[in-house]
Amino acid sequence: EAQVTQNPRYLITVTGKKLTVTCSQNMNHEYMSWYRQDPGLGLRQIYYSMNVEVTDKGDVPEGYKVSRKEKRNFPLILESPSPNQTSLYFCASSLSIGGAGYGYTFGSGTRLTVV
Amino acid sequence: AQKITQTQPGMFVQEKEAVTLDCTYDTSDQSYGLFWYKQPSSGEMIFLIYQGSYDEQNATEGRYSLNFQKARKSANLVISASQLGDSAMYFCAMREGGSGAGSYQLTFGKGTKLSVIP
Repeated sequence: EAQVTQNPRYLITVTGKKLTVTCSQNMNHEYMSWYRQDPGLGLRQIYYSMNVEVTDKGDVPEGYKVSRKEKRNFPLILESPSPNQTSLYFCASSLSIGGAGYGYTFGSGTRLTVV
Repeated sequence: AQKITQTQPGMFVQEKEAVTLDCTYDTSDQSYGLFWYKQPSSGEMIFLIYQGSYDEQNATEGRYSLNFQKARKSANLVISASQLGDSAMYFCAMREGGSGAGSYQLTFGKGTKLSVIP
């Protein structure tokens, strides 16, 4: 089944404790992206990757890191989480950056709480 | 400036009735794509329907149709014969063509919460 797999689904952590949210896709998609969703703000892009070893900042990158060492994986790293990073996070992938017709396949989401 | 505007934070509709969720967009690109996603209370994002800027006919997918008015830059979602399972958040999104920053992301509106009343 074609899918984007995120783990974990739920995570509660303490301020300052490094964490990684994993994302993997099995569709050989070139393009992957991370979004965060907050009430009243919709979804906002954190980082995206156009291919292996090619990443760039989205609209809200502060406090996050990403890496793309393999085509299928795109982990999101919070080196020192803070309470304002409490949010619902989505990983998404798309066949290509080219062409407006390429929508996203989304993962199931990771609900992160930082206390 | 917002690229995607959804002016209805919340909507109610009677079961079996039709409902229109509004979406306006802003872009100077000639090539772009418009998407609608559904997010039920469980949280996942479910793709519903797509409209390309060059498509001459309005997109339809089952009970979903997209009322695309290019000159007015609107892409309203119409749900016919509403069901209780349609209660969810609905997001309009746009992806611009070309090689600019807008092609690297889906830009989302803030969403409309639809509640279907029995």
